[in-house]
Amino acid sequence: GQNIDQPTEMTATEGAIVQINCTYQTSGFNGLFWYQQHAGEAPTFLSYNVLDGLEEKGRFSSFLSRSKGYSYLLLKELQMKDSASYLCAVWGLGGQNFVFGPGTRLSVLP
Amino acid sequence: DTAVSQTPKYLVTQMGNDKSIKCEQNLGHDTMYWYKQDSKKFLKIMFSYNNKELIINETVPNRFSPKSPDKAHLNLHINSLELGDSAVYFCASSGAGTGPYEQYFGPGTRLTVT
Repeated sequence: GQNIDQPTEMTATEGAIVQINCTYQTSGFNGLFWYQQHAGEAPTFLSYNVLDGLEEKGRFSSFLSRSKGYSYLLLKELQMKDSASYLCAVWGLGGQNFVFGPGTRLSVLP
Repeated sequence: DTAVSQTPKYLVTQMGNDKSIKCEQNLGHDTMYWYKQDSKKFLKIMFSYNNKELIINETVPNRFSPKSPDKAHLNLHINSLELGDSAVYFCASSGAGTGPYEQYFGPGTRLTVT
């Protein structure tokens, strides 16, 4: 099976940098991805990691360490609109078998 | 212009009824999904269809039956609705180029069973 853990809530200040961690245990691994979900809206794709290392995409970066079962999402130059839930998900064994974590609710304060 | 659309957006019904939710994508994707997001905001995959064939069927009651008339449509039919079925149901799709990573989600259908 698969188990994914994320902090439930985080708070940060506008303009700052925040790191959202995700740890996972899986019987197989094909990739890890991050989605953003604003309250009352659908999730939107942010990034994915298949190999170890950092993937940068504008203000957002995602890091993966497969040996440690660990990933983080780094958000720079925080804006108020970044207040949302951030979902970590893992694609494990079994073809299209993937699981979303519980999500981290980020509040950006002025 | 809507990439993934769902109807209806809201659905309020009584226990025991049968209802359907429709989903359509105009992205030319091969794979479509149904997710359930409960009140605790856990997003759980229910079904996945690739080119009209079921490739995931997670531990979902058989009261839920997906139907895919073609690769652009994946509908969800629910029989004998129960209170615990109340949730937001999301449809999503992904293309062959990006695999299941980059999924495009519909706006969701908020189902309330009374």
